Amino acid sequence: GIQVEQSPPDLILQEGANSTLRCNFSDSVNNLQWFHQNPWGQLINLFYIPSGTKQNGRLSATTVATERYSLLYISSSQTTDSGVYFCAVVWNNDMRFGAGTRLTVKP
Amino acid sequence: IAGITQAPTSQILAAGRRMTLRCTQDMRHNAMYWYRQDLGLGLRLIHYSNTAGTTGKGEVPDGYSVSRANTDDFPLTLASAVPSQTSVYFCASSPGPAHTGEQFFGPGTRLTVL
Repeated sequence: GIQVEQSPPDLILQEGANSTLRCNFSDSVNNLQWFHQNPWGQLINLFYIPSGTKQNGRLSATTVATERYSLLYISSSQTTDSGVYFCAVVWNNDMRFGAGTRLTVKP
Repeated sequence: IAGITQAPTSQILAAGRRMTLRCTQDMRHNAMYWYRQDLGLGLRLIHYSNTAGTTGKGEVPDGYSVSRANTDDFPLTLASAVPSQTSVYFCASSPGPAHTGEQFFGPGTRLTVL
C-alpha cells in the first residue's frame, strides 16, 4: 500500500517563529488535504491541494505531485496553532493519513 | 447551518453489546465516510458511501456495518463490540463522488469498549 510520511514528528516553536511541515507519499495520488487537529480533537480543514500552491492568511501549502510531496508553511506562529497537523491523500479509493506532526507553540 | 453532527459525543460500552453511532449532515453532500482514530495515530477509513443507497469498504471494515438510506444520514453499527474497537470515530462528507474533492469532518464520537 501507499506510505504517507510526515516530518518532523514533533516540533516546538517560540511564538512568532516560522515552520515548514513536510508530507511525502510513495505513489501517485488523486487528492491531498492538510488538516489541523486542535487540542480538543476537532479536525479543521486547512487546504485541499492536489497540486500547486495555495495561501490562507499565515498558512500556505505547496504540492508537487510529480515529486510526491507536499509542504505546509506556517508563518508568525501563534499559540493557537498548537495541535497535530495531518496530511491525507486519496489512493485506491481510500483516504490515507500520515501519522501527523505535533506542533507546540510556546508563548 | 450545523454541518456534520455526530451522536453520542462519548460512550462507554460493554463488550458484546451492539452500538450504533449516528452521523447527520445538512450540506446535501453526496459522499459520506466513517473513520477511526486510535491514540496517537492518524485516521483510518472504515466504510464510505458514494451516494444514498450505496456503500463501500475502506481500510479497516471488519466488525462494522453501515447503511445509507438517505442523503443526510450515515449510521455506523458495531454488531458485537470488542475492546479493540475502542477509538474516536469521525464521520465526514464531501460534495461530489466519494474520494474526490474536499472532505469535511464531524466532531467525533469517543467510544470505549470494556
